[in-house]
Formats: sequence, C-alpha cells, structure tokens
Amino acid sequence: DVVMTQSPLSLPVTLGQPASISCRSSQSLVSSDGNTYLSWFQQRPGQSPRRLIYKVSNRDSGVPDRFSGSGSGADFTLKISRVEAEDVGVYYCMQHTHWPVTFGPGTKVDIK
Amino acid sequence: EVQLVESGGGLVQPGGSLRLSCATSGFTFSSHYMSWVRQAPGKGLECVANIKPDGSQKSYVDSVKGRFTISRDNSKNSLYLQMNSLRAEDAAVYYCAETGGGYWGQGTLVAVTS
Repeated sequence: DVVMTQSPLSLPVTLGQPASISCRSSQSLVSSDGNTYLSWFQQRPGQSPRRLIYKVSNRDSGVPDRFSGSGSGADFTLKISRVEAEDVGVYYCMQHTHWPVTFGPGTKVDIK
Repeated sequence: EVQLVESGGGLVQPGGSLRLSCATSGFTFSSHYMSWVRQAPGKGLECVANIKPDGSQKSYVDSVKGRFTISRDNSKNSLYLQMNSLRAEDAAVYYCAETGGGYWGQGTLVAVTS
C-alpha cells in the first residue's frame, strides 16, 4: 500500500500569516492516465471531511483562494496564504491513484 | 443537492456483524467510484474499502480483508458495507464517500464492546 506522510503534524499559526503543509507518498502518484490523484481535505471538529483541492492543484467550488496546492510525483504541498480563524482544524492529504486509497496522518492547525 | 446518508451503525459485541448502508442522491451514483472511510475516536481517516462504478473491482485495507464486504446497487443509488467478525479496533465513525473525496456523508457510529 502507498504510505502517505505529512509534516508537520502540528502547526500553530498566527492569524494573517501564511502556513504550509507537506505531504509525501512512498511511490509516485502519477496514474497511467497521466493524472495525479492527490487531494487535500479539511476536517473541522465534529464535522465530516471537506475536500479543498483535487488532482494536486485544483480548488473545489467554494474554497477560498487563499488555499492552494502544488507538487508532483511524490512530493506535494498545501499552502494557506493568510490564515483565518475558520481555518482551524485537521488537514489530510489523500491519494487514490493506487488502491487501496490512503490518507496521510493529518496535520492539526491551530491559532497561536 | 448532493446527499449521502449512512445508516446501520450501532453497538455490537466482538465477533458480531453489522451492515452499513448509504443512500445517495443528487449525483450520478452509477458513474462514481465509492468508498467507506472510517475514523476511530481521536484518530485520522482510514479508507477501508473501495468499489468501481460497475462493482466489478473492489479493494480493502489489510486489516479488514476477509471480514468486510463492500457492495453497491446502482438501481437504488446505494452503497453497502457488510462487516463480520467485528473487533474492538473496528470501532469508529464510518463515512460513505465518493472515492475522490468530493462527496461525503455525515457518518454512522459503530461501537464494538462486550
């Protein structure tokens, strides 16, 4: 199975400052169809996960443009340009290029 | 509006069985890969099973192989998870989700305790 790692696992941030989360996979996530099926999710306490980014860098509808995704192969990054209070939660990367689908361990973002 | 509504969770003794159901609406269910994702209390997300749109291919995480079975009924826009030989470590909120993660249900709680 593809192992997903994230760093850091805990990220205290200052409101209005940028934040960045790294996600690495144990093998390339480039699919035979040429797509890279790497997504990012936000989970607020008590809520279901919400997808923010799909296929590395595509923002879902309604997701603020302060969220951006980048990367390739096996190395990916989620960036928040200016953290807001509503961004507190746990962020997960997920790959579904290879089955079974696997998630990273999560990065807990909170306000300093 | 897209909706995924799970049901069938509850309290079960170790070694027991449960069948989870997920009723969907608002999207073309028969065209989508689907998954069951679980989250133990205070823990991260784990995808336990996936299924192709036509049901012809399925995959499972090692810890549930031989005990859990994912299935779907495209005529009913529904996804299922048959869980047998349940263990304490299977206790979690179980989410029905589109495999790419675009759609999620609210989750159903499975508790395994004697």
